[in-house]
Amino acid sequence: QKEVEQDPGPLSVPEGAIVSLNCTYSNSAFQYFMWYRQYSRKGPELLMYTYSSGNKEDGRFTAQVDKSSKYISLFIRDSQPSDSATYLCAMSASPSGTYKYIFGTGTRLKVLA
Amino acid sequence: EAGVTQFPSHSVIEKGQTVTLRCDPISGHDNLYWYRRVMGKEIKFLLHFVKESKQDESGMPNNRFLAERTGGTYSTLKVQPAELEDSGVYFCASSQEGSAVYNEQFFGPGTRLTVL
Repeated sequence: QKEVEQDPGPLSVPEGAIVSLNCTYSNSAFQYFMWYRQYSRKGPELLMYTYSSGNKEDGRFTAQVDKSSKYISLFIRDSQPSDSATYLCAMSASPSGTYKYIFGTGTRLKVLA
Repeated sequence: EAGVTQFPSHSVIEKGQTVTLRCDPISGHDNLYWYRRVMGKEIKFLLHFVKESKQDESGMPNNRFLAERTGGTYSTLKVQPAELEDSGVYFCASSQEGSAVYNEQFFGPGTRLTVL
């Protein structure tokens, strides 16, 4: 069983829709929870990170962590065609995020104009 | 500020040959990581340098892989001899050192390795 599970998609939504992306995990030692966005032929780029449980909002993006359920989510409001990319969840057991990341497989998102 | 750079961007080699991948981290970043994505699978950790020392090499698949970080600056990852299953995208990442705050891992664009 993988430490981090993520639905690979693809997920297609119309422009302006609210997108919900999710990951589940099994390792209770994870402390940092990251969402990376990766465009084709590029490296992953950090969108948001959350420490422990709770919500974090940044513009159109909201990250949620529920450690009791071992479940994390990323919500994208008012989705745009430029949001079309692969979204990767990643997790770390490090107190400062400097240990290795454990990634999900990534969800391919396509926002249709 | 320049990001993490990797060279080459793409390498095609025959099974049994040797390939060396290079990563230049962001200047001043003590932490350097190598990850690999095999087609259809998740990005997987290979190893972690702190300056020139290997902090964690638990993800290295076997002794055909050799990573070095000379003088704590750039790093190389050598695969010798390459096998078909080594094909994938190799990512390098770097982060600052710190124990009290979150230190983002910045990723390079990756090297796409194809072993024929």
